[in-house]
Amino acid sequence: DGGITQSPKYLFRKEGQNVTLSCEQNLNHDAMYWYRQDPGQGLRLIYYSQIVNDFQKGDIAEGYSVSREKKESFPLTVTSAQKNPTAFYLCASRQDVVAFFGQGTRLTVV
Amino acid sequence: GQQVMQIPQYQHVQEGEDFTTYCNSSTTLSNIQWYKQRPGGHPVFLIQLVKSGEVKKQKRLTFQFGEAKKNSSLHITATQTTDVGTYFCAGTLGGTSYGKLTFGQGTILTVHP
Repeated sequence: DGGITQSPKYLFRKEGQNVTLSCEQNLNHDAMYWYRQDPGQGLRLIYYSQIVNDFQKGDIAEGYSVSREKKESFPLTVTSAQKNPTAFYLCASRQDVVAFFGQGTRLTVV
Repeated sequence: GQQVMQIPQYQHVQEGEDFTTYCNSSTTLSNIQWYKQRPGGHPVFLIQLVKSGEVKKQKRLTFQFGEAKKNSSLHITATQTTDVGTYFCAGTLGGTSYGKLTFGQGTILTVHP
């Protein structure tokens, strides 16, 4: 069953803690993306990777870090430096045209 | 950096009325894509436009790409309650087909029965 899996669906963390969001795809796609969605602000690009062992900052990369050690995996770490981490995080993968999205992770920092 | 602006932010219509959302980029795009996100769901690809002035139709949905490849529109004829959701445009810059994909803010469509 091909697709993108994000886990967990809901995540709660205390302020000041780093947290890593998982994104795995078995579509054999080269490109992967992380977006943040806040109400009324659409999808804002955090980081993207076009190939293994390479990634670029998006529009709101501050306070986040990523790695791309395997083609299938693109984990996102939300660090304590991110001032407003509570949001809905969406991962996507893409080969040529269509971007396929995971179900998202809703992160709440208290 | 590249910006993709989308208007309106919200649109409320009665079932049967038409709906249009507009997308504008600050730079020329390689292509423009449209996605739909149902409430509580994730964005799902609808269509891609590549050529200047291109028009594509999917049943009641009509998509246009501007001559300068900087703007696009999505028009829904005779809306139905199943059309409810957020519609996003997304643009790709540069020569690669899977480079930086920038989304607009989205238009939230509400359809009253």
